Amino acid sequence: DTGVSQDPRHKITKRGQNVTFRCDPISEHNRLYWYRQTLGQGPEFLTYFQNEAQLEKSRLLSDRFSAERPKGSFSTLEIQRTEQGDSAMYLCASSAFDQETQYFGPGTRLLVL
Amino acid sequence: QKEVEQDPGPLSVPEGAIVSLNCTYSNSAFQYFMWYRQYSRKGPELLMYTYSSGNKEDGRFTAQVDKSSKYISLFIRDSQPSDSATYLCAMSRMDSSYKLIFGSGTRLLVRP
Repeated sequence: DTGVSQDPRHKITKRGQNVTFRCDPISEHNRLYWYRQTLGQGPEFLTYFQNEAQLEKSRLLSDRFSAERPKGSFSTLEIQRTEQGDSAMYLCASSAFDQETQYFGPGTRLLVL
Repeated sequence: QKEVEQDPGPLSVPEGAIVSLNCTYSNSAFQYFMWYRQYSRKGPELLMYTYSSGNKEDGRFTAQVDKSSKYISLFIRDSQPSDSATYLCAMSRMDSSYKLIFGSGTRLLVRP
């Protein structure tokens, strides 16, 4: 069990560019969550997958955001036409089906210039 | 008003002190309560997990949940400089995909 991994750890992009982040959950965890955290705040829920099905999306997830988990293993989060307000830490977490506890990855820190 | 309220601190204590961290919440439907520790520029690390009201102890850490008052606490005994971090409370419900609702975090500094 190597824990949740995220890639890249840091991303600097210019406004209007597209970015994609990857999350590899703990093996055999079928629940996967994405959160966003801005400075001085707690993480905020973005979206949730159970296996490959995206079951819930937050209102924070505008139509510029899309997430996938094609084979029920790793997940990607894409932001199109980035805006400066998208600058944040993007966190991925996973949990097993019969557990309520979520384990977080190290996060991807995005800076939009 | 936020669903989960947490004093942002910073809270500064001398090494060896007992630390008390607290959160209040407004939604009585929350069932699961967690405390995470987050070091600067790192992901949150799960410290304690409790279900419903009561106490849970793990080493130097004790978590308390009082559902009647909608109040949760984390106590750290014999605090160490390595405990200096931001502490996040979080809670969830089974009927809401178990998604976590976080407080804003309390910054703790333990002075040597």
